[in-house]
Amino acid sequence: DTAVSQTPKYLVTQMGNDKSIKCEQNLGHDTMYWYKQDSKKFLKIMFSYNNKELIINETVPNRFSPKSPDKAHLNLHINSLELGDSAVYFCASSQVLDGEQFFGPGTRLTVL
Amino acid sequence: DAKTTQPPSMDCAEGRAANLPCNHSTISGNEYVYWYRQIHSQGPQYIIHGLKNNETNEMASLIITEDRKSSTLILPHATLRDTAVYYCIARGYNNNDMRFGAGTRLTVKP
Repeated sequence: DTAVSQTPKYLVTQMGNDKSIKCEQNLGHDTMYWYKQDSKKFLKIMFSYNNKELIINETVPNRFSPKSPDKAHLNLHINSLELGDSAVYFCASSQVLDGEQFFGPGTRLTVL
Repeated sequence: DAKTTQPPSMDCAEGRAANLPCNHSTISGNEYVYWYRQIHSQGPQYIIHGLKNNETNEMASLIITEDRKSSTLILPHATLRDTAVYYCIARGYNNNDMRFGAGTRLTVKP
């Protein structure tokens, strides 16, 4: 069984479009995260949710908004996509705030 | 979180031990040392973490110096599948904000 899953695996879209990436974890974890890995391979945290509350919000444009319908899901919505949004986005989860994080397989977003 | 410094790349022969160093000279008393790795095109994978004592699990061993300013991740018998980028992260207790650096690209060669 997949612990942390993301859909879609690949997403190609035009500038200006709005898109969503879904994430689900079946580990019963309390905290979920979104990371962005750019072309230089640097992995940066974007958001984390604990018990449906946002607890980290790095300097991410407000075009990006996480939505958590329940504890097992944390979806990432992106409005007005820009070329610079092209990257691989990883979802992760952890049992507790400072616990080991389990990562999903990633979603490669390409904005044309 | 304390900044960590790692060599950009290392090679290791298959079957030999891979020793990956990490400097974290500004680490504070409540910061743990975490190691993750990222195999090409996959999400990062947790390996091990420790505070002061050396730690061992089924994947690796973590050796932390007494002054806690540096640590070494040891893969005792490296295989080709261990080729990956290895990240050393210093992270405070009750802090879920993990900051990844550039890591060390380990290449295991036949």
